[in-house]
Amino acid sequence: KAGVTQTPRYLIKTRGQQVTLSCSPISGHRSVSWYQQTPGQGLQFLFEYFSETQRNKGNFPGRFSGRQFSNSRSEMNVSTLELGDSALYLCASSLDGHSYEQYFGPGTRLTVT
Amino acid sequence: ILNVEQSPQSLHVQEGDSTNFTCSFPSSNFYALHWYRWETAKSPEALFVMTLNGDEKKKGRISATLNTKEGYSYLYIKGSQPEDSATYLCASDAGNNRKLIWGLGTSLAVNP
Repeated sequence: KAGVTQTPRYLIKTRGQQVTLSCSPISGHRSVSWYQQTPGQGLQFLFEYFSETQRNKGNFPGRFSGRQFSNSRSEMNVSTLELGDSALYLCASSLDGHSYEQYFGPGTRLTVT
Repeated sequence: ILNVEQSPQSLHVQEGDSTNFTCSFPSSNFYALHWYRWETAKSPEALFVMTLNGDEKKKGRISATLNTKEGYSYLYIKGSQPEDSATYLCASDAGNNRKLIWGLGTSLAVNP
């Protein structure tokens, strides 16, 4: 079956702009989590969506938001971009949350100039 | 321990060597411990999800053990091969907030 897909793969934005990233989970997976990965910081949890509801949230400012649609596809939005938002953003899907294997997408590399 | 800690940070071994890494995690309110392999230019790939104290899992030459009472897990690679070169991440699902907390990983390089 098809894996997790993320679009776009690469993105260059300017400070102050906003960006929307998309994630399509594996068919049948209802949980989608988003992570930010920066050098030296490891994977930082942004939020998890399950059945269109945000079930958990990491310690990120309100500029980071997300949503999940009825087909389990998820989007992540970052408003008022800052240079420090430059990172690899990964989404992962699973059957039902964090006690299950996470299947990762290829990521979106965001560069903020 | 409040965070997930992995050691060593990096490791260089020769082909054929066996090696092991450590993951330390909060032992209270434990739900699951994950191990992932992350190869360069690829996505993290799940190796094991472990939930029971004393559990031992194996996949080919790779195995892992879990001690939830003292909050540690070991990952073993027997007879390392160059294709085992990757960063090995562990993540803990614990606590009331049920978030996956990730370690910084152990970077393994296997020289042919």
